[in-house]
Amino acid sequence: QSVLTQPPSVSGAPGQRVTISCTGSSSNIGAGYDVHWYQQLPGTPPKLLIYGNNNRPSGVPDRFSGSKSGTSASLAITGLQAEDEADYYCQSYDSSLSGVVFGGGTKLTVL
Amino acid sequence: EVQLVESGGGLIQPGGSLRLSCAASGFTVSSNYMTWVRQAPGKGLEWVSLIYRTGSTYYADSVKGRFTISRDNSKNTLYLQMNSLRAEDTAIYYCARDASSDSNWYFDLWGRGTLVTVSS
Repeated sequence: QSVLTQPPSVSGAPGQRVTISCTGSSSNIGAGYDVHWYQQLPGTPPKLLIYGNNNRPSGVPDRFSGSKSGTSASLAITGLQAEDEADYYCQSYDSSLSGVVFGGGTKLTVL
Repeated sequence: EVQLVESGGGLIQPGGSLRLSCAASGFTVSSNYMTWVRQAPGKGLEWVSLIYRTGSTYYADSVKGRFTISRDNSKNTLYLQMNSLRAEDTAIYYCARDASSDSNWYFDLWGRGTLVTVSS
């Protein structure tokens, strides 16, 4: 049971927009800690996708965007492409645990 | 080239010990917060431990008292000493570099990981 809750899977057709939710609590997202997102392609390490709720590292397409409100955050992917098929994880800090927490991960399938 | 390369994984019996290494190049380990994250086969990411620039250390409850994170500045290498290993510690262990330098930890550089299998 992950501290941050994500849907196990989402899907969309090429060109469509999908969102992935990440729900936390008052000791992590709701306490004001930033949310970060990672993309993990099969057999590879995670790659930083969004940091500080809505910032993209250099090289990440602007099709990827993040938002945060209250105790939740979301990752949006527009103009879905086949290469976006991967697992996506949200991550934050939890003050009760004094450590990093991850969501359980969401598998994105491009139909 | 800026990179992290883990080593030291393998098959170990329950109750045994193993030390993982993470060699950094292109940047200085001691100037950054560094972390270990693991991923059990077919499962999600689980944070394990983090070390500050000051040397302060933090651990997930699941490994506290059994695992120790450390670094060797002269070798620019991060370590994870794992004792009293259990079957549930079986995972790919990734080292990663923190990019935040405050409590909003997030990780911008990851190694390829090393597999630890705990089994008799």
